Amino acid sequence: GAVVSQHPSWVICKSGTSVKIECRSLDFQATTMFWYRQFPKQSLMLMATSNEGSKATYEQGVEKDKFLINHASLTLSTLTVTSAHPEDSSFYICSARPPLDRGYEQYFGPGTRLTVT
Amino acid sequence: SQQGEEDPQALSIQEGENATMNCSYKTSINNLQWYRQNSGRGLVHLILIRSNEREKHSGRLRVTLDTSKKSSSLLITASRAADTASYFCATDRGGNYKLSFGAGTTVTVRA
Repeated sequence: GAVVSQHPSWVICKSGTSVKIECRSLDFQATTMFWYRQFPKQSLMLMATSNEGSKATYEQGVEKDKFLINHASLTLSTLTVTSAHPEDSSFYICSARPPLDRGYEQYFGPGTRLTVT
Repeated sequence: SQQGEEDPQALSIQEGENATMNCSYKTSINNLQWYRQNSGRGLVHLILIRSNEREKHSGRLRVTLDTSKKSSSLLITASRAADTASYFCATDRGGNYKLSFGAGTTVTVRA
């Protein structure tokens, strides 16, 4: 199956600082990547759709100035949590959609656990 | 946003038994997918069933889809300790490939 990596796998930062999370598709080109947030023992909530070469599309209620997304290439999308606060502490997961000839499923990264102190 | 609900929320079974979990959704779909998540990890795709399919098998997994009832079920047969995980259904309504996830079922398989 396809491989998606995320970096870092965990990060601890202080309130007010910014944190960047990278999502890479390792063996396929992904024109579309997705960013999710997951609270403990809860489901995944879609935050935004990241499209290569264009602006990200954010879900209702997600602050675009707080969660900056850049899809710099066909294999890399980054999520920057700006001016992080303790309530931003969460598990962030990205997924990538391969070309349609490889099916409709998405391939997920291992996730990044963010703790804001 | 979430459009699916799953039940049960949690399931504890003995190794070798079957595990069944259900997923209901609200709008029409292009396909429905099941994923597994081990604690603190990413999601692994298990199986996809299209809206025009009623049943699908993959190894020890059997998925059914009833579009008239807007529901799906995942059956894991002859469960193993390694099947301990959370299982999520996700619906794809087509067009933009966004997935809406259900609340998940946590399965514990006792040795």
